[in-house]
Amino acid sequence: QQQVKQSPQSLIVQKGGIPIINCAYENTAFDYFPWYQQFPGKGPALLIAIRPDVSEKKEGRFTISFNKSAKQFSLHIMDSQPGDSATYFCAASMDAGGTSYGKLTFGQGTILTVHP
Amino acid sequence: DAGITQSPRYKITETGRQVTLMCHQTWSHSYMFWYRQDLGHGLRLIYYSAAADITDKGEVPDGYVVSRSKTENFPLTLESATRSQTSVYFCASRAERTSGMYEQYFGPGTRLTVT
Repeated sequence: QQQVKQSPQSLIVQKGGIPIINCAYENTAFDYFPWYQQFPGKGPALLIAIRPDVSEKKEGRFTISFNKSAKQFSLHIMDSQPGDSATYFCAASMDAGGTSYGKLTFGQGTILTVHP
Repeated sequence: DAGITQSPRYKITETGRQVTLMCHQTWSHSYMFWYRQDLGHGLRLIYYSAAADITDKGEVPDGYVVSRSKTENFPLTLESATRSQTSVYFCASRAERTSGMYEQYFGPGTRLTVT
């Protein structure tokens, strides 16, 4: 089964801290690794994504680190703010141009709380 | 309204009843998806569609039926609702961005309770 395992389930940090959320995958055919952010009562929204040909990608305060050999990737949030409090999901997909149609396999989610 | 919409936003139904959740997108995206979200499971794919009249099963399709007669609509039907189908349902459509990134856009969700 194509699984993506995410940890921790929940995370509490103080404002300015650097929360780190980790994901591990099994299927080496995955070639697209997005992170989605979800606020209460809303649908998930793409935050940042990476392909396995790079080891790190940064967009603003959000960074993905990717370790292809370990089949792991993680999200780092620099200088976290109370407004970052949300649920974060990692996901993986493969061969979007082929018969997989870019289906996403999601991790279990991490509830992040950033205290002021 | 532009984007992807779902209706109803909230629904309470009884066990055994048929219920249809609607999804509409205005971008003319070819690919559309239905997920259910349950605590501890993340989002799990129910069905997906590559184009009008082309649909296929995802990870958890049992008890659900989909159709796609028009590109912009992708309704999900629970033929005989069960309590285990109490969940939040999200519809999504897929765009292809530059550099091979395949972003899915999600609707606001439908919270379904089966009593």
